Amino acid sequence: ETGVTQTPRHLVMGMTNKKSLKCEQHLGHNAMYWYKQSAKKPLELMFVYNFKEQTENNSVPSRFSPECPNSSHLFLHLHTLQPEDSALYLCASSQTGTSGGADTQYFGPGTRLTVL
Amino acid sequence: AQSVTQLDSQVPVFEEAPVELRCNYSSSVSVYLFWYVQYPNQGLQLLLKYLSGSTLVKGINGFEAEFNKSQTSFHLRKPSVHISDTAEYFCAVSGPSSYKLIFGSGTRLLVRP
Repeated sequence: ETGVTQTPRHLVMGMTNKKSLKCEQHLGHNAMYWYKQSAKKPLELMFVYNFKEQTENNSVPSRFSPECPNSSHLFLHLHTLQPEDSALYLCASSQTGTSGGADTQYFGPGTRLTVL
Repeated sequence: AQSVTQLDSQVPVFEEAPVELRCNYSSSVSVYLFWYVQYPNQGLQLLLKYLSGSTLVKGINGFEAEFNKSQTSFHLRKPSVHISDTAEYFCAVSGPSSYKLIFGSGTRLLVRP
């Protein structure tokens, strides 16, 4: 596997279900990100982890719970979601250093989530 | 705060014609600017980025963009498009002290034969 992988690629869940999205990066990066991509809206940054520590939570509802056990893996645990949470969830990684915002983020293919 | 505006939600163009996708940004600090492309059922891929130096940036697949500080723009251009360029294109901005990317709403490029 190369780059950033995400599983599953598609997920359908009811509002009372609990599920998890998985992201793995094979690039040796130290930062990982979760984004939400909804129809006709800009990509929304949800969470940022740098060296396994959460450094950004962009006012995301608590029904989304991230977990970063190491620099290569990132999870998004989902529970009691709403239909408006249906979207494409993208994971990304980057190598952060002294160049700040100049780092390129590498994206996975995303998980298409549908909440019934 | 930073923001990005992509003025066109969709741009139809014929194959082998030139194309320009427009992007304007707003920021009170110096910025880094990016263009990403998203093909159907795929994640985003970096086309090019401007960090400093020459205002004309060349990227992959024959795309280039020009940073214009006075007009706060970073328009993407390609002199001759192919069918395979059909995709969603996103402009993004970040600042020197933050790795948080702010994205525009995207422009769908439709290349017709």
